[in-house]
Amino acid sequence: NAGVTQTPKFRILKIGQSMTLQCAQDMNHNYMYWYRQDPGMGLKLIYYSVGAGITDKGEVPNGYNVSRSTTEDFPLRLELAAPSQTSVYFCASGGAHGNTEAFFGQGTRLTVV
Amino acid sequence: GEDVEQSLFLSVREGDSSVINCTYTDSSSTYLYWYKQEPGAGLQLLTYIFSNMDMKQDQRLTVLLNKKDKHLSLRIADTQTGDSAIYFCAEKRNAGNMLTFGGGTRLMVKP
Repeated sequence: NAGVTQTPKFRILKIGQSMTLQCAQDMNHNYMYWYRQDPGMGLKLIYYSVGAGITDKGEVPNGYNVSRSTTEDFPLRLELAAPSQTSVYFCASGGAHGNTEAFFGQGTRLTVV
Repeated sequence: GEDVEQSLFLSVREGDSSVINCTYTDSSSTYLYWYKQEPGAGLQLLTYIFSNMDMKQDQRLTVLLNKKDKHLSLRIADTQTGDSAIYFCAEKRNAGNMLTFGGGTRLMVKP
């Protein structure tokens, strides 16, 4: 099973550039999440989706956009990259964060210079 | 400051028990979780506890929850070098569907 797959694993962006972080899951999960992890900090939720066509803001949504056109895919878009967006980004999928497990991808390390 | 707090670092000897502590602030938390993150990897759910429980045991792992003090702990018995990782506690609040994570505790196991 592939689980949750994120691409790319690493990326360096220049200030003002844009990019899309890809996330795909093959477990038919309704819920998908994007988190960022800054050094020495816990994960902060950027956006989440409870199903295809539905997305909601998390704790730190500014500077990001998402879409959920299919159950499998949940891309995260950065339109105008800023140094403050240097972080490790994790995608996760799962149930309603109740007693069901959230499965995490391997992460995308993004540096904005 | 963080709503969920953990100490940054813990060092133990192989074979000893490790206890990782976490405090949280929201009394409406419904579920509390422990995740493990190995270097360069995503987070892996270790265990969780529902807020109406005070203890849960799963093989070498014991979770204790003191809801009055809003204190959660993870005890790893017979700690092995493979347990070296960063451990995150997280809470799910009654409202919304977000997890709030602590900053993580780096566990180092010395042979």
